[in-house]
Amino acid sequence: KQEVTQIPAALSVPEGENLVLNCSFTDSAIYNLQWFRQDPGKGLTSLLLIQSSQREQTSGRLNASLDKSSGRSTLYIAASQPGDSATYLCAVNWSAGNKLTFGGGTRVLVKP
Amino acid sequence: NAGVMQNPRHLVRRRGQEARLRCSPMKGHSHVYWYRQLPEEGLKFMVYLQKENIIDESGMPKERFSAEFPKEGPSILRIQQVVRGDSAAYFCASSPPGGVNQPQHFGDGTRLSIL
Repeated sequence: KQEVTQIPAALSVPEGENLVLNCSFTDSAIYNLQWFRQDPGKGLTSLLLIQSSQREQTSGRLNASLDKSSGRSTLYIAASQPGDSATYLCAVNWSAGNKLTFGGGTRVLVKP
Repeated sequence: NAGVMQNPRHLVRRRGQEARLRCSPMKGHSHVYWYRQLPEEGLKFMVYLQKENIIDESGMPKERFSAEFPKEGPSILRIQQVVRGDSAAYFCASSPPGGVNQPQHFGDGTRLSIL
């Protein structure tokens, strides 16, 4: 069964500390993996998409890595800020139809 | 460039009524996806549509749920004879043509409450 897991479910860090968010998936035959941010009562904001052939993607303070062989992706957020507080979701696309399978998310709190 | 627009943002229905949720994709996007987020659960895929075609409905409940994306106008997710268990946030996403590696962009969702 194709599943996506995110551990821990919640994380609290002081402002300025680097954030490391983990995502694991059960089947390495992925097309791509996408990281999202969700604020309470809001939709999802796309952060980064890593294609199967890529090892990492970067955007500003965000860096996402992909290791298909071990079934893992990691999202790094440098120098965290209170505005980074949100739930971060990892989603894997295993199908040509672009159907996303989501992890349960990691709820992040950055304390001032 | 407006994002994915969903309406209404909140919808209240009584058991047995019909719910219609609308989604207008981003300009230039021809692929639409619907996902459901049940309370205390993760997002689950429901259906993938292109204009006038259902491509993948493997996540749709077998009864009472239907979706369409007509040639003109928004995509519609329709739930007939709603029950309490249909209470959830329903999210629509869209992506441009161009293959499997196009990112999906999400709307703010419709929160459906069943009384």
